[in-house]
This record gives sequence, structure tokens and C-alpha cells, in this order.
Amino acid sequence: GAVVSQHPSRVICKSGTSVKIECRSLDFQATTMFWYRQFPKQSLMLMATSNEGSKATYEQGVEKDKFLINHASLTLSTLTVTSAHPEDSSFYICSAKPGGGEKLFFGSGTQLSVL
Amino acid sequence: RKEVEQDPGPFNVPEGATVAFNCTYSNSASQSFFWYRQDCRKEPKLLMSVYSSGNEDGRFTAQLNRASQYISLLIRDSKLSDSATYLCVVNVYGQNFVFGPGTRLSVLP
Repeated sequence: GAVVSQHPSRVICKSGTSVKIECRSLDFQATTMFWYRQFPKQSLMLMATSNEGSKATYEQGVEKDKFLINHASLTLSTLTVTSAHPEDSSFYICSAKPGGGEKLFFGSGTQLSVL
Repeated sequence: RKEVEQDPGPFNVPEGATVAFNCTYSNSASQSFFWYRQDCRKEPKLLMSVYSSGNEDGRFTAQLNRASQYISLLIRDSKLSDSATYLCVVNVYGQNFVFGPGTRLSVLP
């Protein structure tokens, strides 16, 4: 199957700092990538849809100024959590779908812990 | 009503048991259906797509009933390694993938 690489896998940071998470499609081009957040023992929650060359589409309740998404190329999308706070601590996962395909492939996730 | 609903779980079954997961979806325009499994603190991994005719992959059988908007996953001869959360995923072409809340399975020795 297609490979999606996500980096870093784990981040521990102080409150108020910004954290950037990268999501790369390694063997296919992805015009659309998705960003999710998952709290312990809860289901995946879609945060935003990242579109190459245009603005991301955010789900209701997700602050676009806090969660900055950049999709500058067909193989890279980044999520920046700005001024992180302890309540932002969560598991963040990206996914992408190869063009023309119907299946969704996931990055390995980033565990963010804000102290 | 949630777009995709699943058995609340958790399911605790002994090794070798047969276990069935149920999923219903509300959008009749849904076109693609999948089962993913997710291990604790890991990303979801595609288990199998679900086709109208039903499909089987080893010990796993998936069924789709479009009229009832219902999807199922059957695991036969369950193994300890099958312990995970099983996610039902539905997609409308050109729109987002919608994930069910998942059903946790624990296979006990």
C-alpha cells in the first residue's frame, strides 16, 4: 500500500511554544491530506482537510489561527500547533488518499505532550 | 444521529471465538466502505474494503447491505493479535471519510 510518513512521532514541549508536525506522502502525490486528533480512549476527530495550493478547510470548532496548516507541495502538508497549551496534548494523525484511489492511508501519528 | 455508528463494546472473547462487529451509516449517498483496525497509540491501518457482494480475507469476512445501510465484520478463530479497536469508515465520493467511534476487541488467552 501507499506510504505516508509523519514526523516527529513524539513531542514534549513547554506551554506557549509552537510545534510543527510534518506529513509526507512518499510514493504518491496527494492533493488532499487530512489531519485528525485523538484523545485517549476516544475516536478520531477530523480537524481539517489540507488542500495543495489553497487554504485548508477546518471542521467546526477547530481554531484555524491556532492550528496552522500548510500544504505547499503535492507530497507535504504541515500542521503547526501555535502557542500550545496542556489541553492541546493529544495524538495527532495525518492521512492521505492517492489520486484516483479510494483508500485512505495514515501517518504513524504524533503524540504531543504540552507541559 | 451520528453519521456512522458502531457497537459500543468492548468485546472480550476467548481465543478461537467468532466475533461480529456491526456498523450503520446514515448517508445513503455513501459509496465506499472500509474496516480499519487501530492498536493503542498507533495509526489506523486498513483491514479490508467492503464490497456489495461481500468479501473475505482469510479469517475476516465483511458484508454490506446498502438497503439497510449496514456493514458487518466477522472474525473467525480469533487470535490474541486480533486485539485492537475496529473502525468502520464510510466515504462519499469527493467528500471526507467518516469514521465510526470504533469497537474495542480484547481476545483473551
